Amino acid sequence: DQQVKQNSPSLSVQEGRISILNCDYTNSMFDYFLWYKKYPAEGPTFLISISSIKDKNEDGRFTVFLNKSAKHLSLHIVPSQPGDSAVYFCAASEGIQGAQKLVFGQGTRLTINP
Amino acid sequence: DAGITQSPRHKVTETGTPVTLRCHQTENHRYMYWYRQDPGHGLRLIHYSYGVKDTDKGEVSDGYSVSRSKTEDFLLTLESATSSQTSVYFCAISVHGGQETQYFGPGTRLLVL
Repeated sequence: DQQVKQNSPSLSVQEGRISILNCDYTNSMFDYFLWYKKYPAEGPTFLISISSIKDKNEDGRFTVFLNKSAKHLSLHIVPSQPGDSAVYFCAASEGIQGAQKLVFGQGTRLTINP
Repeated sequence: DAGITQSPRHKVTETGTPVTLRCHQTENHRYMYWYRQDPGHGLRLIHYSYGVKDTDKGEVSDGYSVSRSKTEDFLLTLESATSSQTSVYFCAISVHGGQETQYFGPGTRLLVL
């Protein structure tokens, strides 16, 4: 049973427009959410995060929105640039023994077209 | 750069052989994690460590064991490799646990024939 889902395997956006990536979760115990970006043959790199007590967090071109009642989060990238083409993973966090157990979605491949 | 290295970066092995992957960090962070990435599944947690000699199972721990005898190294062992363990393996670290960022290593691509 997948606790974190990214229902769009791929997304294509024109350069300069807004990219919106979506993520749904089922476990109400998740208290922290993160977005990672991944290029081929590299490890995931952290983009932005949000605590469950907030509904929005911005960092430059990246904004994450959290709707707890709908158990939904989204990542907005404005404006989209060619270098944003990558696979994006959302992850949800649950604390265990002080450690942090991350549950990942399946990923969305974002392609930015010139 | 979180100072994480993984070795080997690529490995081909045969079914039934033991395999050990190494994760090394230079920052003395307390928490270390092993994940595997497969198409359609994202990344899944295999095992994690919350201190030297303190480890626990993650979501997909069957067929894997880990050891952490010093802060900087976290080893993942496939006791008897199977084709279903063909995957890309990522190590990650975090400083405090709880609500914070995990930083990932470059990955090890393992092929079990």
